[in-house]
Amino acid sequence: AQKITQTQPGMFVQEKEAVTLDCTYDTSDPSYGLFWYKQPSSGEMIFLIYQGSYDQQNATEGRYSLNFQKARKSANLVISASQLGDSAMYFCAMRAVGNQFYFGTGTSLTVIP
Amino acid sequence: NAGVTQTPKFRILKIGQSMTLQCTQDMNHNYMYWYRQDPGMGLKLIYYSVGAGITDKGEVPNGYNVSRSTTEDFPLRLELAAPSQTSVYFCASSYGAHRTYEQYFGPGTRLTVT
Repeated sequence: AQKITQTQPGMFVQEKEAVTLDCTYDTSDPSYGLFWYKQPSSGEMIFLIYQGSYDQQNATEGRYSLNFQKARKSANLVISASQLGDSAMYFCAMRAVGNQFYFGTGTSLTVIP
Repeated sequence: NAGVTQTPKFRILKIGQSMTLQCTQDMNHNYMYWYRQDPGMGLKLIYYSVGAGITDKGEVPNGYNVSRSTTEDFPLRLELAAPSQTSVYFCASSYGAHRTYEQYFGPGTRLTVT
């Protein structure tokens, strides 16, 4: 069964606008972690933000915030004030029990000037 | 501080050949990982290690072997290469158990098996 689902293959956003990238996950473990990575066209993977399953508040890191809705099993990434440099692939991922990591198929974000 | 380095950057193998993908990190991280990324897909975990001498399987370990004799190095061995192993391979490392999510990735090795 797919552990991480990203249903938006591609998204467009106007520069300076906010954008939400969707992510749903599937696990029966009580303890897990959710995180997002950015992959620019150059190919490297860049860690953005992390949310633990027991964290009470939504994680924020600068312009990135993670909208964590545990009951709905969703962990959407919100990027505020989009910049041209935000154009990239974005991957949602989960750390499950036993140090197993699962990545979604990614969302390609294009920021339009 | 070089971070995570991988060699080679590119490689073409013939079916049935073997090779080792090298990965080294200089951050003294205990945890190291190998992933593969097929075109248009996310990363899939092949193997990981929580310290020297300890390795464990990920989601897609078949056709691969690893070893971890030192903290710094985590080579990935492909035996009897098959076209299905054509992919980009990423090595990553992270701090201890409390921050495994923040993985530092190498630049990747693009492997083609023909």
